[in-house]
Amino acid sequence: AQRVTQPEKLLSVFKGAPVELKCNYSYSGSPELFWYVQYSRQRLQLLLRHISRESIKGFTADLNKGETSFHLKKPFAQEEDSAMYYCALKQGGSEKLVFGKGTKLTVNP
Amino acid sequence: EPEVTQTPSHQVTQMGQEVILRCVPISNHLYFYWYRQILGQKVEFLVSFYNNEISEKSEIFDDQFSVERPDGSNFTLKIRSTKLEDSAMYFCASSGDSHSYEQYFGPGTRLTVT
Repeated sequence: AQRVTQPEKLLSVFKGAPVELKCNYSYSGSPELFWYVQYSRQRLQLLLRHISRESIKGFTADLNKGETSFHLKKPFAQEEDSAMYYCALKQGGSEKLVFGKGTKLTVNP
Repeated sequence: EPEVTQTPSHQVTQMGQEVILRCVPISNHLYFYWYRQILGQKVEFLVSFYNNEISEKSEIFDDQFSVERPDGSNFTLKIRSTKLEDSAMYFCASSGDSHSYEQYFGPGTRLTVT
């Protein structure tokens, strides 16, 4: 069965510091990976997906099939990045998203 | 920008009662989903709906649950006889003309079963 693991429940960094939110997955096929973000009192929204290979709000994530990881990175964190971040996986042919438990990122001034 | 809306934002019900959670997906979307998140746990997939029928469902989505698109705009989740463990945040989502498209989430309905 597919599984997404986000080992850090909480992550706290200072403004301007690099940040990395970890995500590991288990799935034998070729998954599609996503990062969703939920800012305080807002809805879940897509931040980025691995197939688009783009940078959104300074965040990037690279799919590493050897390590089955899809870590989210940003070189210089901003206070407005404080939010809940969820890694999610979709397997080919399925419609469901499988989510990790989420990491709460706090960027301190 | 169009958004998925959900009503009510908070529903309190007694165990054994039926509840209907309502969603209005984005108007030109064709795929609809329900997810739930029990406090402190993962967001879990319940069901997807396309072309007026269930296209995929999880083990959680048992006979107590049903979904309906009663008209051209609403998408509902019914829980026939609520249990304490149904207390959760329920999210509706919709996506465009392919399930490969981005899923847009609603703000959620917090269901509390007492």
